[in-house]
Amino acid sequence: DGGITQSPKYLFRKEGQNVTLSCEQNLNHDAMYWYRQDPGQGLRLIYYSQIVNDFQKGDIAEGYSVSREKKESFPLTVTSAQKNPTAFYLCASSTHLRARSYNEQFFGPGTRLTVL
Amino acid sequence: QKEVEQNSGPLSVPEGAIASLNCTYSDRGSQSFFWYRQYSGKSPELIMSIYSNGDKEDGRFTAQLNKASQYVSLLIRDSQPSDSATYLCAVIGQGGKLIFGQGTELSVKP
Repeated sequence: DGGITQSPKYLFRKEGQNVTLSCEQNLNHDAMYWYRQDPGQGLRLIYYSQIVNDFQKGDIAEGYSVSREKKESFPLTVTSAQKNPTAFYLCASSTHLRARSYNEQFFGPGTRLTVL
Repeated sequence: QKEVEQNSGPLSVPEGAIASLNCTYSDRGSQSFFWYRQYSGKSPELIMSIYSNGDKEDGRFTAQLNKASQYVSLLIRDSQPSDSATYLCAVIGQGGKLIFGQGTELSVKP
């Protein structure tokens, strides 16, 4: 089955710890994205990547880091510098990112991170 | 002004009725528009894409786009309790990134 997988489904972190969220896709998509969703709010873009070894900051990149060493994988690290990391984290992918056109994005099942 | 605006709801409709969800956007250059459905605790699921003015139908769903008035809507005919979810409107913005509205919560009462 083609799709996007995220792991773990639930993650608990102590304050001061870095944690890494996994995102893998087998759709052969070039572009991948990380979003954050807080209760009752829309999605906010953290980072995105159009090709391997390249990524750009989104609207709320502070306290997060990413890598894109393989086309299939786009892990997100939530660092201790992120002040309020408790949220629902969503990974998405699309065939490519073209300015202002198309770019249907498909989402993974998400990781729910809670800081204890 | 928010880039993409939706009424947060909740919008409550009886089973079998038509549910109408609306979305306005601020960037006149936007060309691609999407509706996602998100069940509580789950990730968003793409249900409709629309790129041209007019209507696009897919089963019980109809997306309507009016670029001159900068609004896009989603109609759900013969609403079912299983349609109860939050519906997210998304618009392609600067640089090709998706910009999401806050979502409209729909409740379909049996």
